[in-house]
Amino acid sequence: AQTVTQSQPEMSVQEAETVTLSCTYDTSENNYYLFWYKQPPSRQMILVIRQEAYKQQNATENRFSVNFQKAAKSFSLKISDSQLGDTAMYFCAFGANSKLTFGKGITLSVRP
Amino acid sequence: KAGVTQTPRYLIKTRGQQVTLSCSPISGHRSVSWYQQTPGQGLQFLFEYFSETQRNKGNFPGRFSGRQFSNSRSEMNVSTLELGDSALYLCASSLAGTEYQPQHFGDGTRLSIL
Repeated sequence: AQTVTQSQPEMSVQEAETVTLSCTYDTSENNYYLFWYKQPPSRQMILVIRQEAYKQQNATENRFSVNFQKAAKSFSLKISDSQLGDTAMYFCAFGANSKLTFGKGITLSVRP
Repeated sequence: KAGVTQTPRYLIKTRGQQVTLSCSPISGHRSVSWYQQTPGQGLQFLFEYFSETQRNKGNFPGRFSGRQFSNSRSEMNVSTLELGDSALYLCASSLAGTEYQPQHFGDGTRLSIL
């Protein structure tokens, strides 16, 4: 069975600064995908970024990028130039065998 | 394109009752997954349906059941409700439910058990 661990329950960052959210996972699978989802206070969960485990190159989506370390089973999310709208709960998720396993999430607050 | 629609948004029930939650996926999406979200346990996978068949199931008791209709709409049923069932229930849809496809979530149904 897969496990996803987000050890930091909450973080705070000043607007325009950079913040990194940590995530580790455990699996015996070789083929899998990793995701970061964002859940703003309005509740609807949306996909932030996706990483294919077979790709060496780290995924990037505008201000969001990941640091994927496959051997260490680590998948952190870096948010650059933080904006007030980035305030949300962020979930790391592992996808394999048509199933997603989520971490417990981290609450990120962006301070003006 | 309309997003994932969950009804109702809020529900209050008492212990022992049963409840049915509904989820309409994005048009063209054939996979529907259900999750239970609580502050203590986070997001836990309940089950996934594809073309009216349950393909995956999480570690929940048999009181939790679901089904999917031919138009891909899905319902989730919880019988003999317990206080611990109070949670936000999220539904997500994707084209085929494979692990690489992003899931599109609804706003959820907030279930409170008194």
